Amino acid sequence: GAGVSQSPSNKVTEKGKDVELRCDPISGHTALYWYRQSLGQGLEFLIYFQGNSAPDKSGLPSDRFSAERTGGSVSTLTIQRTQQEDSAVYLCASSFKLLQETQYFGPGTRLLVL
Amino acid sequence: KQEVTQIPAALSVPEGENLVLNCSFTDSAIYNLQWFRQDPGKGLTSLLLIQSSQREQTSGRLNASLDKSSGRSTLYIAASQPGDSATYLCAVWEYGNKLVFGAGTILRVKS
Repeated sequence: GAGVSQSPSNKVTEKGKDVELRCDPISGHTALYWYRQSLGQGLEFLIYFQGNSAPDKSGLPSDRFSAERTGGSVSTLTIQRTQQEDSAVYLCASSFKLLQETQYFGPGTRLLVL
Repeated sequence: KQEVTQIPAALSVPEGENLVLNCSFTDSAIYNLQWFRQDPGKGLTSLLLIQSSQREQTSGRLNASLDKSSGRSTLYIAASQPGDSATYLCAVWEYGNKLVFGAGTILRVKS
């Protein structure tokens, strides 16, 4: 594909609702990464996938967060029972090889929890 | 716990100047170090990736060096242009499968 795409671009939700964020990586990229950038704060690494496998989920902020990847392509980041502190820009990136190549970033999903 | 520090926090220079951005990290057990650029409203762009076994990488007017033993990296920008204005982020991929970012250096190049 032309680049990494993410959907939705913006999401406003009420506290307590579940949200699902989607990432379509560049075709052929085996590694996929999720990050979060909260207002006024730095970038926070969440999780990475090598193929469909996520070896380390310790970067996820809480057990309300989960992520999966199917078919070595699309990934979804799910936040259950959203809280106001979950409001942030969620960025996805992909690379051809894990750790060996530069990453290409999507435009992000801006999540606002009211 | 890995900590990444970037100095200066902000920098304003006239067009044409050569400049250096600094990055330091506390734990030298890293796979690689990456420099990124973040433009407001335009997302994040990966600039350079230096593997732990490498000393430097170059791309156009950008040159990044890595001294793993001392926990330091520098990003050198030659002949700066107004289009270089952005936030520059340094990040290390540490053993333990986690990418740790610095807070960034906000660069403004004045025309």
